[in-house]
Amino acid sequence: DADVTQTPRNRITKTGKRIMLECSQTKGHDRMYWYRQDPGLGLRLIYYSFDVKDINKGEISDGYSVSRQAQAKFSLSLESAIPNQTALYFCATSDPSVGGSYNEQFFGPGTRLTVL
Amino acid sequence: DAKTTQPPSMDCAEGRAANLPCNHSTISGNEYVYWYRQIHSQGPQYIIHGLKNNETNEMASLIITEDRKSSTLILPHATLRDTAVYYCIVRAPNQGGKLIFGQGTELSVKP
Repeated sequence: DADVTQTPRNRITKTGKRIMLECSQTKGHDRMYWYRQDPGLGLRLIYYSFDVKDINKGEISDGYSVSRQAQAKFSLSLESAIPNQTALYFCATSDPSVGGSYNEQFFGPGTRLTVL
Repeated sequence: DAKTTQPPSMDCAEGRAANLPCNHSTISGNEYVYWYRQIHSQGPQYIIHGLKNNETNEMASLIITEDRKSSTLILPHATLRDTAVYYCIVRAPNQGGKLIFGQGTELSVKP
């Protein structure tokens, strides 16, 4: 079974709808991240969480909100979806207890979201 | 985090070494160089990282110049499955684990 899973894998929705993307992990990591990727571009950080009580905004948090329901679950919500939020969304985790420079992030398979 | 500059695309023949360059001329003394790759819209995958010394693992080698202003990722025997976008990222440790992705280099390994 995959260590980092995302649901749904694909979603088509309409402008103005509320959408929730979910991420679950079995790696036991404290840190979780949400990124979005637009065609031909690198990933951009939306939100990140160091533990269930710690939520931080990334580069492009406007129009998004998150919820860290448990160590293993981190959800991303679009309160009122708009077409320019059409993108590929990735969740990732990392383990700070490894320490120092080694901070490998483990990514989920992605959710392709289309807002019409 | 220091900015990085990578060529947008490169080709490599299957079985040959792929050498992917990265410029990071404004790197600070405590910043590491990380490499990730992304195969066809899958989630990015960690490859290797280093500070000053050259590093090697089962996937690749990382060569960092003495002045640390540039580095090269080497895939010693590229296969078709190495076709991907390769991202060079410079980051100081304990900066919240955040990764700042540029546009990367699209490597095409050809038969």
